[in-house]
Parts: sequence; structure tokens; C-alpha cells
Amino acid sequence: AQSVTQLDSQVPVFEEAPVELRCNYSSSVSVYLFWYVQYPNQGLQLLLKYLSGSTLVKGINGFEAEFNKSQTSFHLRKPSVHISDTAEYFCAVSEETGGFKTIFGAGTRLFVKA
Amino acid sequence: NAGVTQTPKFQVLKTGQSMTLQCAQDMNHEYMSWYRQDPGMGLRLIHYSVGAGITDQGEVPNGYNVSRSTTEDFPLRLLSAAPSQTSVYFCASILGTVNYGYTFGSGTRLTVV
Repeated sequence: AQSVTQLDSQVPVFEEAPVELRCNYSSSVSVYLFWYVQYPNQGLQLLLKYLSGSTLVKGINGFEAEFNKSQTSFHLRKPSVHISDTAEYFCAVSEETGGFKTIFGAGTRLFVKA
Repeated sequence: NAGVTQTPKFQVLKTGQSMTLQCAQDMNHEYMSWYRQDPGMGLRLIHYSVGAGITDQGEVPNGYNVSRSTTEDFPLRLLSAAPSQTSVYFCASILGTVNYGYTFGSGTRLTVV
């Protein structure tokens, strides 16, 4: 069975500072990895995904994430955040050959301060 | 393109009442799921469907039923509402070839009193 752990429930950061949101996963098979963003009172929106190939993936809004198979991690980063990045971010995992069942982490609330 | 449409957006039920949350997508996606979102718990999978006529249980299926008579529609039925079912419910879909990530609806906020 898969599981996802987001190591920080809340991350406060000042505007224009860098940020890293941490995600670790557990699975006995190869996986696909995702980050989703949820703005207040909205549904989730896909931020980026890792399916195969380069371990550094770039997404929308200047975010990127790095897949580290040996550490079973998929941390999300942005070099300079904006107030508008304030949202909740979810890491998710899906088995490559297990259909499309996707397991989500508990979420990390990013709060960007002026 | 409307994407994934959920209705209603808000609902208050009394304990023991039943209701159906509607979900429709116009993208010809084969795979559809229902999740519930509770504070500090992320999203938990209730039921999913890999295509018309095929459904299966997720992590937290008790108290919920689903059906998939068409590719477009995937309604979620609460049989006898309980306060523990107070949550935000999201429907989501994937095209159905490779998991390129979900398209989510905007959610239904359900309160059971």
C-alpha cells in the first residue's frame, strides 16, 4: 500500500523568500508523483507531475519539484514566493501499474507574509 | 469546456436524510473518483470508477453508494446522513490512458446536523 507524508502542516514565509514544501512517500512499486494547489474555497488544481524521465520537473507559477528515488521524496520548491501563492498544497502518489487510484497527503498550508 | 461540474455547492442535511451529490464531466474522461476533504486529513478516496458500468470502493466507502451509467455522470449517494459525513466532497476525473493528473470539480460543502 502507498502512503504520503507531508512533513509540515503550515509554512509561513515572507514575500520574495524561497520556500520548500516537503513530501515523502512509501510504495513497494514504481510511482507517479503529483503536487496540487488549492486556493481558498476552490477545488484542487494540478501544479506539476513526475511520470518518468528527468527527476527535476517544472510546473505552473514558477514551482518545481525534484524526485529522489533513494530518499523516496518529492519536495516542492519556489525560489521567490508571492502573496498570491498563499494556498494549501497537496502531494499525491499513484502506482504506475495500479490503475489511477491516487493517495493524497494531509496538505501543507503556505502562508506568504508581506 | 465546463470541465467537472458539481452540484450543489452547499447543502445542509438532517441526520438520517438521504441525498445525491451530482458530478458531471464533458471531457470524455474514463476514470472518475469521489474524495472527501477533512481538516488535517487531506483527501480520502470514497469510490471510483474506471468506466461506465464499473465502480469500486476506496478508503472510506461506508455510508456512500455510487453508480456510473454513462461516461459523463458519476453521482454519489448518501444513504442515511450522519454528522461524521460533514465534509467537503470533491469529484475528479482522468482521461484514462496514463495518469496525467486529476481535473477536479469545485466541491460540495455538506453539513449534517
